[in-house]
This record gives sequence, structure tokens and C-alpha cells, in this order.
Amino acid sequence: KQEVTQIPAALSVPEGENLVLNCSFTDSAIYNLQWFRQDPGKGLTSLLLIQSSQREQTSGRLNASLDKSSGRSTLYIAASQPGDSATYLCAVSRSDRGSTLGRLYFGRGTQLTVWP
Amino acid sequence: DGGITQSPKYLFRKEGQNVTLSCEQNLNHDAMYWYRQDPGQGLRLIYYSQIVNDFQKGDIAEGYSVSREKKESFPLTVTSAQKNPTAFYLCASSQTLNTGELFFGEGSRLTVL
Repeated sequence: KQEVTQIPAALSVPEGENLVLNCSFTDSAIYNLQWFRQDPGKGLTSLLLIQSSQREQTSGRLNASLDKSSGRSTLYIAASQPGDSATYLCAVSRSDRGSTLGRLYFGRGTQLTVWP
Repeated sequence: DGGITQSPKYLFRKEGQNVTLSCEQNLNHDAMYWYRQDPGQGLRLIYYSQIVNDFQKGDIAEGYSVSREKKESFPLTVTSAQKNPTAFYLCASSQTLNTGELFFGEGSRLTVL
């Protein structure tokens, strides 16, 4: 079974800092990896999707990298702002064509607070 | 605007009652999913559907039921057999099963009184 771990569980930083959130997974046979943002009491918003053949994706101040061989992904947030405060989750999917195809395995998230 | 609509946003239920959570999408996605989120537990998959009239159990399907009679709709029924139903329920969809980006609704919070 795929295990997804996110470190740190919580992070509190002043505005303007560059941040790195980590996601590790135990099974490298993934189809893709997705980073989400969740605000309190809300659903998940997709931030970046990295296919297994890709090494990174960028959107604005966000950059996500993927290293399948080491089972790691990092989400880099540049010049953090108070509006970035949220919980960030990563999810990986399996690539085999068995009954588990289509399963996303989620980490428990990193709760980020950016203070002014 | 395309998206996923969940209703109701908040729901209170007495013990022993069945309740149904609605999930509608207008993204023309084939695959739909239901997740449960509890504090400190992360998201857990309840049921998923690859196509109309087909659905599969996830990791915690006991006490839940679903139907997929229309492509755009995937309602979840929380039955009285679910021992601990108080949770935040999230519906999601993707173009096809596991081949693309996953989109979520805003969630439904169920509280059992």
C-alpha cells in the first residue's frame, strides 16, 4: 500500500520568506502527483499536477518538483504572503492497471501560517 | 462556470437516520469520488465511480451507499449502519479514472446529534 508523508505538519513563517514543503511516498510506481490547497472548512483546490514523466511544474510563485526514484516531491513557495496561509496536501496515484488504479493516496498535509 | 456542487453544506442528523449528500458536476467528467476527512486522519476514500452505472468500494465503504445513474451526479447515502458518521465529506471528479487532475467540491459537514 502506498504511504504518503508530509513534513513538516505545521509551519509558521513571517511574510516574504521562501518556503519548501515536503512530500514523500513509499511506492515509486506512481501515475501522477498532485498538490492541493485547503482553506479551513472548504474543499481542496488543485495547485499543480505533475505527471510521472515530468520533473517539475510551475504556476506563479509555486514550483513543484518530483523525484520518483527517491520517492519525494517538494512544493516551493516564493515570497510567501498571508494569503498563502492554508493546509497544503499532496496526493499520489498508482500506475498499475489492477483494482487500485484510480486511487489517490493523500498525505495529512502541512498547515502553513504566514504572518504579516 | 464549470465545477462541482455539493449540498447541503451543513447537515444535522439524529442517530438511526439515513441521510443523502448530493454531488453534481458540470465538467463532463467520467470519474467521480467520495472522500471523508476527519481531523488528524487525512482523506479516506469511501466510493468511486469510473463511469455511469458503475461504482467501486474504497477503503471505508461500510455504512455508506452510492448510485451513479447519471454522468453528472454521484449521491452518497450515509446509513444508520455507519457507526461514526460525523465528518466532513468531499466529492471529487476527474476526466477519467486517475488520468488527470482531480477537482473537489466545497464539502458537506455532517453532524450526528
